[in-house]
Amino acid sequence: SQELEQSPQSLIVQEGKNLTINCTSSKTLYGLYWYKQKYGEGLIFLMMLQKGGEEKSHEKITAKLDEKKQQSSLHITASQPSHAGIYLCGAGDYNTDKLIFGTGTRLQVFP
Amino acid sequence: EPEVTQTPSHQVTQMGQEVILRCVPISNHLYFYWYRQILGQKVEFLVSFYNNEISEKSEIFDDQFSVERPDGSNFTLKIRSTKLEDSAMYFCASSGLSGRSYNSPLHFGNGTRLTVT
Repeated sequence: SQELEQSPQSLIVQEGKNLTINCTSSKTLYGLYWYKQKYGEGLIFLMMLQKGGEEKSHEKITAKLDEKKQQSSLHITASQPSHAGIYLCGAGDYNTDKLIFGTGTRLQVFP
Repeated sequence: EPEVTQTPSHQVTQMGQEVILRCVPISNHLYFYWYRQILGQKVEFLVSFYNNEISEKSEIFDDQFSVERPDGSNFTLKIRSTKLEDSAMYFCASSGLSGRSYNSPLHFGNGTRLTVT
């Protein structure tokens, strides 16, 4: 079965710094999703990537999909306290409704 | 912006009792899901639902679990006889595109924290 590993598990950065979170799959990636979760709350959809080499941006968050490496990265530019939370990657497949989630990366941003 | 709403936000129940978790998906969505997250663990798929029937379920979704769309707006998850290990955050999600996970961003509710004592 497919496994998604995220790195780092935890990240503490100063406000204004850039950061990158990685998500590596044990199998070929088809649909790759990034979600943000605040403690005790639901998952907020950030972006969906489907094609190798695809890159999407929303405000200061950019995500890329490297199909060959079976990997996606999420990059935050000039981080702010509002970026704090748990970032989850999720992978889909053609033959299933099931979304597999990664282990999560906890991000803290201090002033 | 339309959102998925879940009630209650927190439910405490005794082992062996039945619980019903409720969800109102986004109004024009056709595909509905339940996921759960045990504290400190990954978010796990339970079941998907389309056209008034289960389209896929995980091994977790055994005979103790059932789902229903009793009317045009609600989507419920019932656990017939709760066990301690059912304690988790349960998330409802919906999608408007398709049931297949490769092209179908899910919109999640804020979850119901179920505590079984």
